[in-house]
Amino acid sequence: GAGVSQSPRYKVAKRGQDVALRCDPISGHVSLFWYQQALGQGPEFLTYFQNEAQLDKSGLPSDRFFAERPEGSVSTLKIQRTQQEDSAVYLCASSLIGGGRSSGANVLTFGAGSRLTVL
Amino acid sequence: DAKTTQPPSMDCAEGRAANLPCNHSTISGNEYVYWYRQIHSQGPQYIIHGLKNNETNEMASLIITEDRKSSTLILPHATLRDTAVYYCIVRPSGSARQLTFGSGTQLTVLP
Repeated sequence: GAGVSQSPRYKVAKRGQDVALRCDPISGHVSLFWYQQALGQGPEFLTYFQNEAQLDKSGLPSDRFFAERPEGSVSTLKIQRTQQEDSAVYLCASSLIGGGRSSGANVLTFGAGSRLTVL
Repeated sequence: DAKTTQPPSMDCAEGRAANLPCNHSTISGNEYVYWYRQIHSQGPQYIIHGLKNNETNEMASLIITEDRKSSTLILPHATLRDTAVYYCIVRPSGSARQLTFGSGTQLTVLP
């Protein structure tokens, strides 16, 4: 597609519910990133995929957070047993290549994000 | 990645140039300077990047000092739509690693 598409744009969950957030990256983009952005803060890295391989998950805050990209395109971020501190905007970004070559190809394109509110 | 320092907020009059500074005194030789901005309720948007030469595109100009320890993003004719948080980020060349965002500068363009 023309841009990175995320759904749902808004999600309200009761504490303890599981949620799944979807990201459709730009077609052909190899790298995919998930970020968490709390109110008034800059985005914080969660995890990174190169094609279907999850190469870095060091930013995931707990084992309740799980991400997958089984076919190397669409990705899902799943949060189990949501807590109030999980309330944030979850941003997905993609880039054309997975490292090396021109720095220009490493420009990240972000989606509009999914705003999660846990009550 | 090298740390960056930006002022928390700035104002600019509509139609005037907006000059946003960034300090990155610990930048290493293979690290690029990237600028992104985030308009309210949207995801970050790429603006421009450079290594050591000044760069210009349709959105902005990037001026990097000769010692590369600081840079300035210039929006030549700011409009109300340029009101956003602007992030200065350094990142190694060819890196597929994530961008590390700081707190950025809230630029408010005033009518």
